[in-house]
Amino acid sequence: DVKVTQSSRYLVKRTGEKVFLECVQDMDHENMFWYRQDPGLGLRLIYFSYDVKMKEKGDIPEGYSVSREKKERFSLILESASTNQTSMYLCASSWGSGGAYEQYFGPGTRLTVT
Amino acid sequence: AQTVTQSQPEMSVQEAETVTLSCTYDTSESDYYLFWYKQPPSRQMILVIRQEAYKQQNATENRFSVNFQKAAKSFSLKISDSQLGDAAMYFCAYRRNAGNMLTFGGGTRLMVKP
Repeated sequence: DVKVTQSSRYLVKRTGEKVFLECVQDMDHENMFWYRQDPGLGLRLIYFSYDVKMKEKGDIPEGYSVSREKKERFSLILESASTNQTSMYLCASSWGSGGAYEQYFGPGTRLTVT
Repeated sequence: AQTVTQSQPEMSVQEAETVTLSCTYDTSESDYYLFWYKQPPSRQMILVIRQEAYKQQNATENRFSVNFQKAAKSFSLKISDSQLGDAAMYFCAYRRNAGNMLTFGGGTRLMVKP
């Protein structure tokens, strides 16, 4: 079974703090993704990575950066957290590009910025 | 840009009955995939069913089936013999065949009454 894990289920941070969210997958997937989930808006793509050190912006990259130093690990960084970044963050991974490749999701991190 | 719309924020169904969740999408592409994902409460999102746009036949997975109307850009999910474990958020998603990115709808919360 594919396993995608995220470092925390719940996180509370203060405005202005630097926040790291980590994601690890154990199936040697090429692609990894970070989404933000908000009620009524569904999931919106923040960034994705198709290889180590390679990344592309998604729909809402502002205020976020990412790092992928190893194939199995993909980190989302909030350089200076703000209250409007309070949300559920989901990581996903997939084997290949395009087509019917399924994305496998982690359990999510619920981040609260106060 | 592609958009995916789920017009029913919440639905409810009696156990053992059938329910249909609606999804419409907008795209200028002809080659793409459509997906339904399920997110149970406090559990990881999983793929329920996928449909390739060039296939006329509607996809079926056990109690789950889709009604894919390409000309109308409609992709509804039918759940037959509903079970308590079907209670979840359901997300419709789109991906063009050559792409990596999924575009999600806003989600439908399905409640199953015993």
